[in-house]
Amino acid sequence: DAMVIQNPRYQVTQFGKPVTLSCSQTLNHNVMYWYQQKSSQAPKLLFHYYDKDFNNEADTPDNFQSRRPNTSFCFLDIRSPGLGDAAMYLCATSRTSGFTDTQYFGPGTRLTVL
Amino acid sequence: GEDVEQSLFLSVREGDSSVINCTYTDSSSTYLYWYKQEPGAGLQLLTYIFSNMDMKQDQRLTVLLNKKDKHLSLRIADTQTGDSAIYFCAENYNTDKLIFGTGTRLQVFP
Repeated sequence: DAMVIQNPRYQVTQFGKPVTLSCSQTLNHNVMYWYQQKSSQAPKLLFHYYDKDFNNEADTPDNFQSRRPNTSFCFLDIRSPGLGDAAMYLCATSRTSGFTDTQYFGPGTRLTVL
Repeated sequence: GEDVEQSLFLSVREGDSSVINCTYTDSSSTYLYWYKQEPGAGLQLLTYIFSNMDMKQDQRLTVLLNKKDKHLSLRIADTQTGDSAIYFCAENYNTDKLIFGTGTRLQVFP
């Protein structure tokens, strides 16, 4: 059974057209993360939620926003996608934010910007 | 510092052992991890090691940690074609953040 689900798997948007990526989890985990992974690069953390507390990485562009309406769902909003935002976006969850807790990753959404 | 480095490619024959290496810079990291990413898929946690350990073995996987040199390695015994993937090492940073390495693409040929 899928535990971390991301929809859609592939998303195409136009330059400057807002786009929302979705992540849901069946693990009832407290923490949800969004990573950006560009081609042939390591995943890079954008932000995470611990319950309803939002934690933004210092170098995450303002163009990226997130919402977590409930425990199960978390959204990544890109307000005005640029060509440089084309990447794989990975959602992950963990029970807590402690280092002993494994992060479980979804399959990712590959974003193409035309 | 938050740099985690890996060699980009490794090619091995089926049945041989694979050794993937990683160097990290944050000596305060408490846990170090190995993740596997198959084409078009998310990251799968393979194993992790606590920083006070030198070695951890889990079936075909052996993790070695040299904390003095900040060097981590993953050995896969009897490598199979299904092991072909990108392998990322990662260190925890400030407990709630994982810093990933650049990834090593392992190719297994018959």
